[in-house]
Amino acid sequence: AQSVTQLDSQVPVFEEAPVELRCNYSSSVSVYLFWYVQYPNQGLQLLLKYLSGSTLVKGINGFEAEFNKSQTSFHLRKPSVHISDTAEYFCAVSDPGSGNTGKLIFGQGTTLQVKP
Amino acid sequence: DTGVSQDPRHKITKRGQNVTFRCDPISEHNRLYWYRQTLGQGPEFLTYFQNEAQLEKSRLLSDRFSAERPKGSFSTLEIQRTEQGDSAMYLCASSPSFGVGYGYTFGSGTRLTVV
Repeated sequence: AQSVTQLDSQVPVFEEAPVELRCNYSSSVSVYLFWYVQYPNQGLQLLLKYLSGSTLVKGINGFEAEFNKSQTSFHLRKPSVHISDTAEYFCAVSDPGSGNTGKLIFGQGTTLQVKP
Repeated sequence: DTGVSQDPRHKITKRGQNVTFRCDPISEHNRLYWYRQTLGQGPEFLTYFQNEAQLEKSRLLSDRFSAERPKGSFSTLEIQRTEQGDSAMYLCASSPSFGVGYGYTFGSGTRLTVV
């Protein structure tokens, strides 16, 4: 079965430093990949997505992610973080076995803690 | 377009009681999804509607759970005879029907606490 692994449960970083949140998925077939952000007591907001084409994807709030098919990874990066980036980040993959239902499989989440 | 609305935001109930949550999707979205998120975990798929048809249910959705989407508009998720293990955030999302790659719009969720 398809699975998503977020390698770090917590990532502490100082403000204005760069950050990378790691994500690996298990499927070897073509999938769509997503990163979502969740602020406390709120729903999830789409940061960016990879469907096809360029492996470097740019999203909102200065985030970007790189799709690496050979390593089945989709790591999220930001060159300079702000206090307001403190949140939970989820990597997700479309379930290739679900046809066109749009069902997503999520990783366990990574808590980004930005310190002043 | 006011986004996806969920009601209530919080619900505390005693074990054994029934609860019902409501989700109002974005009006032009045909697809509606329910996910459950427990503390420290990512969301897990529960069920999915295309218009009024419930097309897929997860094994997580036991017989105590039922979801409806009458007339393809709002949806309700009912949990009967709640158990402490049902305590979680219940998230609703909607999307257009064209292409799985569109991504969802999530609501703010209903946090259920079973005491």
